[in-house]
Amino acid sequence: QVQLQESGPGLVKPSETLSLTCTVSGYSISSGYYWGWIRQPPGKELEWIGSMYHSGTTYYNPSLKSRVTISVDTSKNQFSLKLNSVTATDTAVYFCTGDRAYATIDYWGRGTLVTVSS
Amino acid sequence: QSALTQPPSASGSPGQSVTISCTGTSSDVGGYNYVSWYQHHPGKAPKLMIYEVNKRPSGVPDRFSGSKSGNTASLTVSGLQAEDEADYYCCSYAGDKGLFGGGTKLTVL
Repeated sequence: QVQLQESGPGLVKPSETLSLTCTVSGYSISSGYYWGWIRQPPGKELEWIGSMYHSGTTYYNPSLKSRVTISVDTSKNQFSLKLNSVTATDTAVYFCTGDRAYATIDYWGRGTLVTVSS
Repeated sequence: QSALTQPPSASGSPGQSVTISCTGTSSDVGGYNYVSWYQHHPGKAPKLMIYEVNKRPSGVPDRFSGSKSGNTASLTVSGLQAEDEADYYCCSYAGDKGLFGGGTKLTVL
């Protein structure tokens, strides 16, 4: 059974960098799938952030591309999200995901709330 | 680019069928056969129910089915059961990203 678990600070100050890590169990991330992140601001729709294949190919939402970095650590079976220069509009529940490409998400974490506030 | 449009709520009695729509444009839903549907019980991980418009992953009951006509995709849940009560989200490939609907809260009366 594949399980994903997000971890990281629940509170980030404006202008700083949001950093989250997703630990995958039950599957080796170097075996396939794209590993990425989706978020849901309070009361709003889900927003696809981006995903990365274990080989390094990345796909980012054009609206966030300038601030986002997704990286994969196959030795730890983890992948990470960094979002720079955050503002209050980046406050959201962040989900880590495993998808088979073409926006078909096979695996989700439970999500973690990140609040941007001073 | 706007999100896909879903009705905020839907409901049905046990045993009945309910259909949830997901309307986009020719740049997303209408342009690709990559529409997926997710079931989300709050506090749990969302679950893939339908992919590529009408395919079911292993383990998803055949009570769940998907279809598409033009720029509108649909999820039909037949033989409603209490455990089907959840939020349902559609998602479409849109060329350079995935695009989601706003979600539909399905209530089993």
